[in-house]
Amino acid sequence: AQSVTQLDSHVSVSEGTPVLLRCNYSSSYSPSLFWYVQHPNKGLQLLLKYTSAATLVKGINGFEAEFKKSETSFHLTKPSAHMSDAAEYFCVVSDRGVTGGGNKLTFGTGTQLKVEL
Amino acid sequence: DAGITQSPRHKVTETGTPVTLRCHQTENHRYMYWYRQDPGHGLRLIHYSYGVKDTDKGEVSDGYSVSRSKTEDFLLTLESATSSQTSVYFCAISDVPVSYEQYFGPGTRLTVT
Repeated sequence: AQSVTQLDSHVSVSEGTPVLLRCNYSSSYSPSLFWYVQHPNKGLQLLLKYTSAATLVKGINGFEAEFKKSETSFHLTKPSAHMSDAAEYFCVVSDRGVTGGGNKLTFGTGTQLKVEL
Repeated sequence: DAGITQSPRHKVTETGTPVTLRCHQTENHRYMYWYRQDPGHGLRLIHYSYGVKDTDKGEVSDGYSVSRSKTEDFLLTLESATSSQTSVYFCAISDVPVSYEQYFGPGTRLTVT
């Protein structure tokens, strides 16, 4: 079974400082990994994805994540936080071995990012 | 944004009543999913569909049923709503094996009183 652990439920940073949201995963084979963002009372938006190509993945709005197999980690970073980054972020692992050939997503419990002036 | 709509967007219902939520897509994707979102749990898969009339259970399927009679529509039914089913429900679609990410609808906030 696959699982995802987001190591911080809340992260607070000052505007203009770096962001680090931590994620560890467990998978029985080479996984696909994603970060999604959810702004208050909104749906989920795909931020970036790793699908066994380059280990450093760039996403939207200046975010990036690095896949480290030896550490089973997929941490999300951004060099400089902006007020508009305040949201909840979900680390997600994809399981492809499901009935009908689709995939199931397993979500972490989320990290709430607060950006202060 | 992926063409996914959900209806209704908000609903308040009483315990014991049946409720049906609808997901509609215009992307012609084969796979459709229903999730529920609860604080501290992230999103959890209820049911998914891998084609018209083809569905399977997710990790929290008890008390829910689904149907898919057309590629574009995926219905989630709570046969007899309970307070524990108060949640935000999200529909998602994917285009496996072209890509493995899922695209989400705007959500339905359901309150069972």
